[in-house]
Order: sequence, then structure tokens, then C-alpha cells
Amino acid sequence: AQSVTQPDIHITVSEGASLELRCNYSYGATPYLFWYVQSPGQGLQLLLKYFSGDTLVQGIKGFEAEFKRSQSSFNLRKPSVHWSDAAEYFCAVGAMNRDDKIIFGKGTRLHILP
Amino acid sequence: GAVVSQHPSRVICKSGTSVKIECRSLDFQATTMFWYRQFPKQSLMLMATSNEGSKATYEQGVEKDKFLINHASLTLSTLTVTSAHPEDSSFYICSALLEARQETQYFGPGTRLLVL
Repeated sequence: AQSVTQPDIHITVSEGASLELRCNYSYGATPYLFWYVQSPGQGLQLLLKYFSGDTLVQGIKGFEAEFKRSQSSFNLRKPSVHWSDAAEYFCAVGAMNRDDKIIFGKGTRLHILP
Repeated sequence: GAVVSQHPSRVICKSGTSVKIECRSLDFQATTMFWYRQFPKQSLMLMATSNEGSKATYEQGVEKDKFLINHASLTLSTLTVTSAHPEDSSFYICSALLEARQETQYFGPGTRLLVL
């Protein structure tokens, strides 16, 4: 069955510290992978996506993610977080066939300590 | 580019009434739009896929007669919650598929529905 797992419900880091949010997926076909960010009461904003090619993907706001097929992972990283990064982060997986739906993980809430 | 809007952003209604939520792709055409529902502190759950000019495809467990979807143009899809009840209170988010950018979905800001 297709699934996306974000094992950490909450993550707390200090401002300026590095960040890694974990995402593991189970998908029968070659996946397309996404990370979205959701600020409180807001919609989702696409941070980055992986379709093919270089497995290290650069996104907006200084985020990057690395696709590791052998580990079925697509972890999100940022070298130095800012207080404005506090939000909910969703990993999602989809496929080229538009009939395949995007499946979202349950999200990781990021808290930033001053 | 790739901006999606939703209207209204918040709506409060009485139980038994119907509420219409609009989803618009402002600077691109979208043959496919999606409607999601998000419960507090939960992930997004896909409700239905809206295809321009044809009937929507509903996910298992979603009542199509309760959640009416119309995708009348390439830039507009509407979700109507009919005979709303308090358990329908939720955050409804739409997205539009941007085919030119490798099937990436772009999301609207969401609509907060509160049914009293």
C-alpha cells in the first residue's frame, strides 16, 4: 500500500540550529516527492519537489531535501533555522499518472526556540 | 505565477444551510483541481478530484450528494457543502494541477468552515 510516514509529530530546535525533518515513503512506482509548509490557518506552500535527476533538491527559503531510494526516504534539511520557519511541514508522494493521488504524511510541527 | 485563490476564507453558517466555496487558478488554466479536508492537527485528506467539464471523482467514504463539486471552467471549481452539520466544520483546501510544471499541485489558502 502507498503511504508516507513522518515519524516526528513535533520537533523543537533553537534558532540558528540545523534542522532535519524525516520522511519515509512506500510507493509501488517511481515516486514524485514533495515537501509543503503550512503556517497556522494558512494553505500549503510548495517548498521543493523531486521528479528525477539530481537526488539533492534545492527549494525555497533555504531548504533542501535528499532522495535516497535505498532508504525510501526524502528528508528535509535546513542548515540554520529562523523563527519564521515555525510551521507544519508535510511530506507528500505522487506519481506521473494523474489518476494517482498525492498522499500526504501526517505532518511535523516545527517549534523554534529563541 | 501559479496562484490559487479560495473564497471565502472563513464562513460561519447555521446547521442545515448550504455553503459554496470557490477555488480559482488566477494565472493559469487547470483542467484538474483537487479538494482536501483537514481536521485540526491532522494531515490533508483528499475528498475528490475535480475535472473540468466532467463529473468529479470522489474518494471512498465521501458523500457526493453532500459535497457537490462543479468545475465549470478551466479556472474555477466550486465545492458546495449541502445541509451542513457541525461535524462538517473543518478547513477545506483546494489545489490546482499545473501541468506545465510536471504535474505539481498548487494550493489555495483554504477556507475555514464553522457550522453552528
